[in-house]
Amino acid sequence: QKEVEQDPGPLSVPEGAIVSLNCTYSNSAFQYFMWYRQYSRKGPELLMYTYSSGNKEDGRFTAQVDKSSKYISLFIRDSQPSDSATYLCAMSDAGGTSYGKLTFGQGTILTVHP
Amino acid sequence: EPEVTQTPSHQVTQMGQEVILRCVPISNHLYFYWYRQILGQKVEFLVSFYNNEISEKSEIFDDQFSVERPDGSNFTLKIRSTKLEDSAMYFCASSEVTGETQYFGPGTRLLVL
Repeated sequence: QKEVEQDPGPLSVPEGAIVSLNCTYSNSAFQYFMWYRQYSRKGPELLMYTYSSGNKEDGRFTAQVDKSSKYISLFIRDSQPSDSATYLCAMSDAGGTSYGKLTFGQGTILTVHP
Repeated sequence: EPEVTQTPSHQVTQMGQEVILRCVPISNHLYFYWYRQILGQKVEFLVSFYNNEISEKSEIFDDQFSVERPDGSNFTLKIRSTKLEDSAMYFCASSEVTGETQYFGPGTRLLVL
């Protein structure tokens, strides 16, 4: 089983739709969960960061973590064409054995069409 | 807003040559990382660095790789003898506290011929 699994898509939605992206993981030591957005041939840009379980909202973005199910989600409301990018989940057990090493999912390619 | 910078943006080299990739992390950050992304694949961890020494390295980070913080601002990744399979995008990242938000640079695209 892969440590972090993410459906690569591609996912295509109309402008204004609610987008749901998710990742599952197998390492129960993960405590820090992040979502990055990556445009083609650019560096990952941090979108959301969550520690342990729960929800976090920032504007049109909501991140959810369910540690009991080892499942994390990112919701994008009122999606815009500028949201078209690859979305990467990443996680870490920092403070444990990994010294901050991030383990990434494959990335989901999202296209929002006008 | 502070950001991580990387130079060069592109590097083409011949197999067997040495390359040095450079990064300037965010100034008050103490933890530094290198990752790589082969085209179409996942972002993969290479190495973490704190207090002038390697904290952790992956199995990819073999004896051909080294990292250094030569002064108070730069953080470098050296590949001693490049191989074709080293062709990838290399990202530097930094964080203020271990494990928390890591900020990535724009990357260096390395092509080994």
